[in-house]
Amino acid sequence: ILNVEQSPQSLHVQEGDSTNFTCSFPSSNFYALHWYRWETAKSPEALFVMTLNGDEKKKGRISATLNTKEGYSYLYIKGSQPEDSATYLCAFNNAGNMLTFGGGTRLMVKP
Amino acid sequence: GAVVSQHPSRVICKSGTSVKIECRSLDFQATTMFWYRQFPKQSLMLMATSNEGSKATYEQGVEKDKFLINHASLTLSTLTVTSAHPEDSSFYICSALGRAGDTQYFGPGTRLTVL
Repeated sequence: ILNVEQSPQSLHVQEGDSTNFTCSFPSSNFYALHWYRWETAKSPEALFVMTLNGDEKKKGRISATLNTKEGYSYLYIKGSQPEDSATYLCAFNNAGNMLTFGGGTRLMVKP
Repeated sequence: GAVVSQHPSRVICKSGTSVKIECRSLDFQATTMFWYRQFPKQSLMLMATSNEGSKATYEQGVEKDKFLINHASLTLSTLTVTSAHPEDSSFYICSALGRAGDTQYFGPGTRLTVL
């Protein structure tokens, strides 16, 4: 069983604050690391697919970094907005297309 | 693009009945789809990989005779929970592998409650 951990489990921030959270995963047999954003009652939305050590990807105010050697990825949100409130999932892909998910970080942004 | 629908979104059934959940890729063809299950306060767990035109591959501990998967076309996979029991109550969610083969696109999920 692969161990994919996300921290914190939940996070409350004020509108305008910047925030970040962590995904840790096995450092061996790495293929890809995925980030998803999941709003209640909607489908999880694919944010990033990261494959290269040292990679940094950005989508608007959201960015992510990847360290495959030490087995972690950070997701950053700059200037959080209430619409950023969601559960952020990471998923580790070690071969083929099988994803092992972390437990998610639930972000709540207060106006 | 890459929209996946899932139906029904919520179902309540009596113990012993069978429930079918549909997963459709609306604007792309998907040779591979996946079925996941999420129990309260737990992560999404892969149940099986569904390949169009062939038998599904089940993860360890998932009974293939209980969770029947059919992927009869490039846009539709179905999961049938046979003879459902209260312990099968869970959130079931599907995904379809996108054209580039590097991203899974998810449906909105189905909440199953077995009384």
